[in-house]
Amino acid sequence: QQQVKQSPQSLIVQKGGISIINCAYENTAFDYFPWYQQFPGKGPALLIAIRPDVSEKKEGRFTISFNKSAKQFSLHIMDSQPGDSATYFCAAAPYGQNFVFGPGTRLSVLP
Amino acid sequence: GAVVSQHPSWVICKSGTSVKIECRSLDFQATTMFWYRQFPKQSLMLMATSNEGSKATYEQGVEKDKFLINHASLTLSTLTVTSAHPEDSSFYICSAVTSGSSETQYFGPGTRLLVL
Repeated sequence: QQQVKQSPQSLIVQKGGISIINCAYENTAFDYFPWYQQFPGKGPALLIAIRPDVSEKKEGRFTISFNKSAKQFSLHIMDSQPGDSATYFCAAAPYGQNFVFGPGTRLSVLP
Repeated sequence: GAVVSQHPSWVICKSGTSVKIECRSLDFQATTMFWYRQFPKQSLMLMATSNEGSKATYEQGVEKDKFLINHASLTLSTLTVTSAHPEDSSFYICSAVTSGSSETQYFGPGTRLLVL
C-alpha cells in the first residue's frame, strides 16, 4: 500500500513533442505529490508538486494532472526539448511523513 | 533559495576505512534531513531520517552501527560509513525540509562513494 507505481520505465520523444509520465498509488493518506527531475550524477530537483484538492497544476511547460478517484497522477512536458532528457521520479507522501518514490522514468528527447 | 550542499561530491576509499559525508542547508534551517542511497538506474532508497538534536530513525534493513548519522545543528547533518566495504559503493544523497514545512524536500547534489 506504500508503493507508488510509475510508467513507462523509459520514454523517447521527438523534440517539440509531449512527454507523458504516469504514476499511481494506493494509500489514500497520501496528500502531497511532487515530481523530481534528476540528471546523471546529480541530486533530484523539485519540478512541480500538487495537492489532491486540485486536479491540475501548470508551471511553464510542466503540468501535473491529478485524478483523486483513480488515485493516479501524471506529468506532462509540453514542447519537450533535448535539455529535458533526464530521469523523472514521482513521489507521494502523507502530510509530515516520508516520501515514497516511484521507480523513475528515463526520458530521452531526440533533437 | 533552499539550497542543499554535500561534501565531498565524490570519494574513493580503501575497504575497512570510514568515510564522512556532510549535508548542509545553505540558506535555510532544516529541522529534518533525510539520507538516501541510490544504485545505478534505480530509485532513491531512504536510509534514515535525521532530526536536529535527536537520534536518527533508520529504515528497516539499514544498519545503524554502520551508517552513523549526526544532526548536530539546524544546517548540518553528517553520514559516516564505518568500516566501508565494496558493497557500500553507491550514490548517497541527502535532502532537507525547511523548518515549519514537512512537505517539500530539497536535495543535495549527491556524493559518489567508491570503496576499493
